[in-house]
Amino acid sequence: GAVVSQHPSRVICKSGTSVKIECRSLDFQATTMFWYRQFPKQSLMLMATSNEGSKATYEQGVEKDKFLINHASLTLSTLTVTSAHPEDSSFYICSAKAGAGYTEAFFGQGTRLTVV
Amino acid sequence: GIQVEQSPPDLILQEGANSTLRCNFSDSVNNLQWFHQNPWGQLINLFYIPSGTKQNGRLSATTVATERYSLLYISSSQTTDSGVYFCAVDLGTNAGKSTFGDGTTLTVKP
Repeated sequence: GAVVSQHPSRVICKSGTSVKIECRSLDFQATTMFWYRQFPKQSLMLMATSNEGSKATYEQGVEKDKFLINHASLTLSTLTVTSAHPEDSSFYICSAKAGAGYTEAFFGQGTRLTVV
Repeated sequence: GIQVEQSPPDLILQEGANSTLRCNFSDSVNNLQWFHQNPWGQLINLFYIPSGTKQNGRLSATTVATERYSLLYISSSQTTDSGVYFCAVDLGTNAGKSTFGDGTTLTVKP
């Protein structure tokens, strides 16, 4: 199957700093990628839809100025957590589909963010 | 929005036992996937199964789209099967946007 690579796998940052997470589709082009967040013992919740060449679409309750998404190419989307605080500590996962329509979603390995 | 319910929420088995996990969804879907989340958080894609039945070793899955449910069968369970199992559905109206259930936490004891 297709491969989605996420980097870094884990990061620890100080409160007030910004952290960038990369999501790459390695062997296919993805016009759309998705960012999810998972708090401990909870399910995955969609944060935003990343569209290549246009603005991301954010889910209700997700601060777009805090979670900056850039999808500058067909193989790379980035999520930047700005001015991170301890409550932003979470597991962030991206996914991508190889084409439009109703196809299988491929997920990255996830990034565990800890803000101290 | 669509509701995705998984049952049971927790399941404890003795090694070698069989189990069935269920996923109910409230609307028609165009995509359904089962995942196993390992202790490191990585999502392992088990099945892409919008309809029909598939088997992969000790695991199999069946989705009855018309009745809006899917089942994941684990036979001869092993301790390495422990973890959280999620089903995720894609309505197609926002193609690619997956909604996850709350998961079933499986513990297999030796």
